[in-house]
Amino acid sequence: DTGVSQNPRHKITKRGQNVTFRCDPISEHNRLYWYRQTLGQGPEFLTYFQNEAQLEKSRLLSDRFSAERPKGSFSTLEIQRTEQGDSAMYLCASSLVGTGANVLTFGAGSRLTVL
Amino acid sequence: DQQVKQNSPSLSVQEGRISILNCDYTNSMFDYFLWYKKYPAEGPTFLISISSIKDKNEDGRFTVFLNKSAKHLSLHIVPSQPGDSAVYFCAAIVNAGNMLTFGGGTRLMVKP
Repeated sequence: DTGVSQNPRHKITKRGQNVTFRCDPISEHNRLYWYRQTLGQGPEFLTYFQNEAQLEKSRLLSDRFSAERPKGSFSTLEIQRTEQGDSAMYLCASSLVGTGANVLTFGAGSRLTVL
Repeated sequence: DQQVKQNSPSLSVQEGRISILNCDYTNSMFDYFLWYKKYPAEGPTFLISISSIKDKNEDGRFTVFLNKSAKHLSLHIVPSQPGDSAVYFCAAIVNAGNMLTFGGGTRLMVKP
């Protein structure tokens, strides 16, 4: 297993464009999380899935943000009509419900730069 | 409202000495605490954790102490090594498997 994989690693876009990030979790993990990290801050929770069900999405930053996990495997995070304030590192993590539920394994992140 | 705080943005320690990283929290419902380490261009990696029913957990050179009455935890690294130089995040969770709340991080620099 290669761990949590995120693509693209870096995305530069112009304000107003839509962007999509993909996350492939560890295959046996059934929970998947999205976090955002801005410079000098810790990761900030956005949303999470258990299998294909999105169990918490109230922390998504605005209605421009949406996430899907259609078959309970990979997930996408879409940001519509990007703004300069969306520039950040978007981190995906996964975990296994049960004994490992509290320990999240993170990917390397997708860095978004909005010009 | 920042529920988990790391008040020292950076710490510099000599190789071989002890590194002590501190973390304070405000939510008394937190029942599990974790420390993550992050190198540049990598995601955070899990280091060590502690349940609220314990006050100490040790794993090799790393020990985490929890003081529930003070709502304070600390990570001790002994002896510190240059490879320990990274950003360390404290995190806390309410109810197993839900969202982690992170502190702002402390950058540790271990000088040879």
